[in-house]
Amino acid sequence: EPEVTQTPSHQVTQMGQEVILRCVPISNHLYFYWYRQILGQKVEFLVSFYNNEISEKSEIFDDQFSVERPDGSNFTLKIRSTKLEDSAMYFCASSDGRGGWETQYFGPGTRLLVL
Amino acid sequence: DQQVKQNSPSLSVQEGRISILNCDYTNSMFDYFLWYKKYPAEGPTFLISISSIKDKNEDGRFTVFLNKSAKHLSLHIVPSQPGDSAVYFCAASVSGGGSEKLVFGKGTKLTVNP
Repeated sequence: EPEVTQTPSHQVTQMGQEVILRCVPISNHLYFYWYRQILGQKVEFLVSFYNNEISEKSEIFDDQFSVERPDGSNFTLKIRSTKLEDSAMYFCASSDGRGGWETQYFGPGTRLLVL
Repeated sequence: DQQVKQNSPSLSVQEGRISILNCDYTNSMFDYFLWYKKYPAEGPTFLISISSIKDKNEDGRFTVFLNKSAKHLSLHIVPSQPGDSAVYFCAASVSGGGSEKLVFGKGTKLTVNP
């Protein structure tokens, strides 16, 4: 069964460093998403991406964040200068984009720890 | 701003009995509702969904009920099995808005005791 994959599974970085989280969405899907879950809190929407541009972003997704689909398979989330509060699980998701009621399928997540 | 609320942080049931997980929402624009199951250190796994044109959707042991007037949905698992022990998230979206971002509740931790 097709699935969303994410790398790395864990990332430890120093505050102020840049990190890139990678995702391979399900191959025929057209909508891509990033969510995050800070420990003990709910899963929060960060950004949605369709047709090579951002569809919507939350207030969390400030200028330090960017997304890119550099080729036909990968979808990346970059944090330019990490802060302690960026420590969280980051989940990538995708949906088929047929319109109507879309089901999003999630990857296993990347645990980011900023020291 | 809790648009999706799961007021029970935990639920414990005996194997073979029914588990009922509840979810309330405030945004009347939501028209698609999903339940995800999540194990620690894993991503949410899609379980079952329901659109606003229905009031019930069933898939094996899992049934979701939607009461639009009360802005309430529930997930019934029957019979419950120990492998069902996980955190269950309710999520909602507005279709046709171009993004269809999911808004999640805080989750309910279900423990099914053998």
